[in-house]
Amino acid sequence: GNSVTQMEGPVTLSEEAFLTINCTYTATGYPSLFWYVQYPGEGLQLLLKATKADDKGSNKGFEATYRKETTSFHLEKGSVQVSDSAVYFCALSDKSGGGADGLTFGKGTHLIIQP
Amino acid sequence: GAVVSQHPSRVICKSGTSVKIECRSLDFQATTMFWYRQFPKQSLMLMATSNEGSKATYEQGVEKDKFLINHASLTLSTLTVTSAHPEDSSFYICSARDWGAPYEQYFGPGTRLTVT
Repeated sequence: GNSVTQMEGPVTLSEEAFLTINCTYTATGYPSLFWYVQYPGEGLQLLLKATKADDKGSNKGFEATYRKETTSFHLEKGSVQVSDSAVYFCALSDKSGGGADGLTFGKGTHLIIQP
Repeated sequence: GAVVSQHPSRVICKSGTSVKIECRSLDFQATTMFWYRQFPKQSLMLMATSNEGSKATYEQGVEKDKFLINHASLTLSTLTVTSAHPEDSSFYICSARDWGAPYEQYFGPGTRLTVT
């Protein structure tokens, strides 16, 4: 079956530090990959996505590249801000799996940015 | 745009009673809606996929007679937890897929269910 593994948190960084949150996946077929962000008290929001190998998703200074050879989709940002503090979820959608195409999520990584 | 609402945001009920949670897409038509369950400090687990006008598809291990899903219109899906027990206490989240943007799901804010 499908699965997503992401680094456990919390991850605590200082403002302007470089961020990497690792994400690897297992899937049948050719999945689409996503990063969602959940700010305190709010619902999940799509941060970025990539639908095929070597695609790079980017938004709000965050980037992630779909690496089929390493089955990874690591999230990066060059300079984090306090407002980036949130829980980040890596997820996949297996379009070729048939049946339901709901998302398979990782456990989430709680990111804390200190001023 | 692409707003999904859930109602109620939190509910407390007694063991043995049933609770209905509504999920609405406010500014788009959602042919497909998904229901997830999130335990504290855990990931979201897909429970079922709801297609407008047809029966829901449940994930393995999810009791369809306990978690009744109805998707009667393109903007509304409901999840009814029947004969709730304390172990059903959780955070229930719905998402809706805009048929015009098939790769994206828009999530509701979630409903916190506590069964006493």
